[in-house]
Amino acid sequence: NAGVTQTPKFQVLKTGQSMTLQCAQDMNHNSMYWYRQDPGMGLRLIYYSASEGTTDKGEVPNGYNVSRLNKREFSLRLESAAPSQTSVYFCASSEIGGGISYEQYFGPGTRLTVT
Amino acid sequence: AQSVSQHNHHVILSEAASLELGCNYSYGGTVNLFWYVQYPGQHLQLLLKYFSGDPLVKGIKGFEAEFIKSKFSFNLRKPSVQWSDTAEYFCAVNAGGFKTIFGAGTRLFVKA
Repeated sequence: NAGVTQTPKFQVLKTGQSMTLQCAQDMNHNSMYWYRQDPGMGLRLIYYSASEGTTDKGEVPNGYNVSRLNKREFSLRLESAAPSQTSVYFCASSEIGGGISYEQYFGPGTRLTVT
Repeated sequence: AQSVSQHNHHVILSEAASLELGCNYSYGGTVNLFWYVQYPGQHLQLLLKYFSGDPLVKGIKGFEAEFIKSKFSFNLRKPSVQWSDTAEYFCAVNAGGFKTIFGAGTRLFVKA
């Protein structure tokens, strides 16, 4: 039982390059999330997927796109990377019950640097 | 808009000292409250959570938190910290639905 896995762990991009961050969970959770973590700002939600086939914007969606490939996988794409997207990216999953999000389970993170 | 405030950004304690980290939120309705911890080089993991019931909740590794509804607070406590508690601690609030709001985090350094 691996929990939430993310690839890659580290990535360096040049401004304007594109890349996709991969995330998979094996806990059969319906909901999945992408966050970015910046010093002094905590975690900010980029996009989330309430269930397979749905995605919605979070707090900071600009410059990103997502795909919920199936129940297990949720990818984050940067189409044209910018230095402002230098950050640590975390994927998470959770279950939902009675309209409430239960605790989230996080992946190990991807440290992205855009030069 | 909902917000979560963690009052201390950096805390330095000696081993065996008591710890209290403050957390206040701005939402007035029913909330679910969490504390997560991120040890150096690791991913976030759940320390404890409050959904309903006893407002004093106990988590892993001797941590506890008290929900005070009238003060919109959910402060984290530990009577005696250890060097291994060095980590960043995040308070988080979910007011229903899929969006959980995280505080900015408190970096705790425990001196051996």
